[in-house]
Amino acid sequence: DQQVKQNSPSLSVQEGRISILNCDYTNSMFDYFLWYKKYPAEGPTFLISISSIKDKNEDGRFTVFLNKSAKHLSLHIVPSQPGDSAVYFCAAIPSGGGADGLTFGKGTHLIIQP
Amino acid sequence: EAGVTQSPTHLIKTRGQQATLRCSPISGHTSVYWYQQALGLGLQFLLWYDEGEERNRGNFPPRFSGRQFPNYSSELNVNALELEDSALYLCASSPPHGLSYEQYFGPGTRLTVT
Repeated sequence: DQQVKQNSPSLSVQEGRISILNCDYTNSMFDYFLWYKKYPAEGPTFLISISSIKDKNEDGRFTVFLNKSAKHLSLHIVPSQPGDSAVYFCAAIPSGGGADGLTFGKGTHLIIQP
Repeated sequence: EAGVTQSPTHLIKTRGQQATLRCSPISGHTSVYWYQQALGLGLQFLLWYDEGEERNRGNFPPRFSGRQFPNYSSELNVNALELEDSALYLCASSPPHGLSYEQYFGPGTRLTVT
């Protein structure tokens, strides 16, 4: 049973446009959500996070939106740049954290086209 | 600030052998998590160590074990290797429990079992 789902295995976006990556979750105990970016042969890099008490968090070109009632979050990247081409993982953790590690989605491969 | 380091980068073992993977967390981080990323699968939580103790383990057999040393570095041992243990093993560290939910990943160890 997949508790964190990223339904788009890949996404292609033109350079300079907005990239929107989506993530759905089923476990209502999840309280904190994170996005990671991963290049081939490297470990995931932490990008941005959001607590369930917020509905938006922004950091430079990256904004994460959380819709708790729909159990849905999205990562917006604007403007998209060639270096953004990578696999993006959505992850979640329950309140109190830690015990079961992060629960990850299977990732979305973002391709930025020139 | 130095990031999470892992060694070795690559490891090739034969079925039935034992593998030992090592991880050094970011300075000041006391929690270490281990994840497995097998081909075609997402990141699966393996083990969590905090303050030298194993706090939780994921849905993996007992042949996967490890420990955390007084300096918070950690070792993952995989006994009686099977072909399906071939995967990327990622270590992540995080600050003392409760201070932050973000986990910071190392580059991983690619384990190949032949």
